[in-house]
Amino acid sequence: AQSVSQHNHHVILSEAASLELGCNYSYGGTVNLFWYVQYPGQHLQLLLKYFSGDPLVKGIKGFEAEFIKSKFSFNLRKPSVQWSDTAEYFCATPSGGSYIPTFGRGTSLIVHP
Amino acid sequence: GAGVSQSPSNKVTEKGKDVELRCDPISGHTALYWYRQSLGQGLEFLIYFQGNSAPDKSGLPSDRFSAERTGGSVSTLTIQRTQQEDSAVYLCASSLTRSVDEQFFGPGTRLTVL
Repeated sequence: AQSVSQHNHHVILSEAASLELGCNYSYGGTVNLFWYVQYPGQHLQLLLKYFSGDPLVKGIKGFEAEFIKSKFSFNLRKPSVQWSDTAEYFCATPSGGSYIPTFGRGTSLIVHP
Repeated sequence: GAGVSQSPSNKVTEKGKDVELRCDPISGHTALYWYRQSLGQGLEFLIYFQGNSAPDKSGLPSDRFSAERTGGSVSTLTIQRTQQEDSAVYLCASSLTRSVDEQFFGPGTRLTVL
């Protein structure tokens, strides 16, 4: 079965700092990768996704992620965070042959103004 | 159009009681998922419905949990004889097609079992 690891459970940054959140998955076949974000008091929503093509994916609000097949990684990045980026971030990918995404434990990001 | 809605938003119940949680997916979305989110944990998959196919119940933690989806739309998750460890936020999501794609999540139902 697919597993998804998010190594950073809690991240605290100051505004304008750079951000990188790690995500590693276990399945070695065709992958479909997602990052979701949950702002305080709001629904989970899609940040970005990778299915194929350019391994560097651009998402909403200046976020991007890079798919590195050799490292089984799909790390989320943002060059300069804002206070409004304070949220919970989840990496997800379906198990091979399944349509059901497996989610990581999530990373809580707090950005101080 | 309207997003995924869930009701109630909060539910407090006593241990041993049954509860029903409701999910209204986005109109036209054929796939519907239930997840459970506990404090500090990720999303735990519970059950998946796709059109008229038999649901994938592989994530249900015990036989106290069941779910149905009527008319390919509204879904109800039922927890019988609730236990304190059932306390969590129950999330519903829907997606447009059967293939892997973006999930649209509802606001969740926060269940507290006393």
